[in-house]
Amino acid sequence: QSVLTQPPSVSAAPGQKVTISCSGSSSNIGNNYVSWYQQLPGTAPKLLIYENNKRPSGLPDRFSGSKSGTSATLGITGLQTGDEAYYYCGTWDSSLRAARVFGGGTKLTVL
Amino acid sequence: QLQLQESGPGLVKPSETLSLTCTVSGGSITTTSYYWGWFRQPPGKGLEWIGSIYYSVGTYYNPSLKSRVSISEDTSKNEISLNLTSVTAADTAVYYCAREGAITAAADYWGQGTLVTVSP
Repeated sequence: QSVLTQPPSVSAAPGQKVTISCSGSSSNIGNNYVSWYQQLPGTAPKLLIYENNKRPSGLPDRFSGSKSGTSATLGITGLQTGDEAYYYCGTWDSSLRAARVFGGGTKLTVL
Repeated sequence: QLQLQESGPGLVKPSETLSLTCTVSGGSITTTSYYWGWFRQPPGKGLEWIGSIYYSVGTYYNPSLKSRVSISEDTSKNEISLNLTSVTAADTAVYYCAREGAITAAADYWGQGTLVTVSP
């Protein structure tokens, strides 16, 4: 059972927009930065979003992040078949002595 | 360009100790701007944080693994090491090392990962 809650799967057609939610509590998302990761099959996770809504250099602006209260959201616009992957949210948890916690992951299918 | 590379045995027997090394190139592990963390991912499952080390400050471990985990650094080799004792089949996973922002905890550089199987 993951500390952060994500939907197991989402799907959308190429060119469309999709959002992935991540729900937590005041000890994690509510008081800490949220990061988002993309994991393609057989590869290491890749950082997409840090500090709730910042993109690493070179990442297209099709990817966006937001946070409100104890929830965070990853948005992807202009979906491409190459976006089909697992997406994970992550943050600190202040109640667990700086433990890093993750959501269970969301499988994005681009139909 | 920062690179991280995990290495170690791919097969460990139950009750023994899993030992992995993460070799960092293109940057120093002695920076105080980053933690260096270990993560794992059992086959078909999600990511799990194992623990992190912060140069000259200390180590932080997943409470669920704390009694079995130790993470250390070798600054002369620019390496981070992981030891996990008394392993069982449940410890079978791909193990990753990664660099984490000291303030954000965002892991921006990852190794390619190494599969460790626990089996007799």
